[in-house]
Amino acid sequence: EAGVTQSPTHLIKTRGQQATLRCSPISGHTSVYWYQQALGLGLQFLLWYDEGEERNRGNFPPRFSGRQFPNYSSELNVNALELEDSALYLCASSPTGGGGIYGYTFGSGTRLTVV
Amino acid sequence: DQQVKQNSPSLSVQEGRISILNCDYTNSMFDYFLWYKKYPAEGPTFLISISSIKDKNEDGRFTVFLNKSAKHLSLHIVPSQPGDSAVYFCAAKPGYSTLTFGKGTMLLVSP
Repeated sequence: EAGVTQSPTHLIKTRGQQATLRCSPISGHTSVYWYQQALGLGLQFLLWYDEGEERNRGNFPPRFSGRQFPNYSSELNVNALELEDSALYLCASSPTGGGGIYGYTFGSGTRLTVV
Repeated sequence: DQQVKQNSPSLSVQEGRISILNCDYTNSMFDYFLWYKKYPAEGPTFLISISSIKDKNEDGRFTVFLNKSAKHLSLHIVPSQPGDSAVYFCAAKPGYSTLTFGKGTMLLVSP
């Protein structure tokens, strides 16, 4: 069974540009979560999609946005990139309901570098 | 406002000894507590979890203890192995919500 897949693995963008990151959840999982791991920080929650709807949003500016498609895959868009957006962006999935005691399954992440 | 805190950025242990990783939380609404392990260039992988109605959960070499009155949980690894060297994240969530993570503790197990 395929795990959570993220693309691209690495992404280099110039300040002010837009970045699009993609995520395919485990088959049967309907919840997708996005986290940012910046240097020296833990995993900061960005967005949660469940059954195509945005369920929760972390403390990030509106230029971080995303969506979930009918097949439950998801994309994260970051507009007007700033140098501080350089980080590892992790996508995770779970069955609907927030994952319960089994938590989430994470992908390997997209390393975004803003220059 | 950091709801989940891992106050030790790193921990060094000798192979065969016990590793104890600690985590404190502030939100009394947390129902589930989880530990994840992360190797460089990989995503975090689920290790072990515990619900708020229990105070201990064991899985092989890994045991998680929960002290609700102190809002503290710990992960014990016995015996520690070099392959356990990784960053360990503590995470917690209320029922239908998202996981809040600590900043992680880097464990180094030396032969």
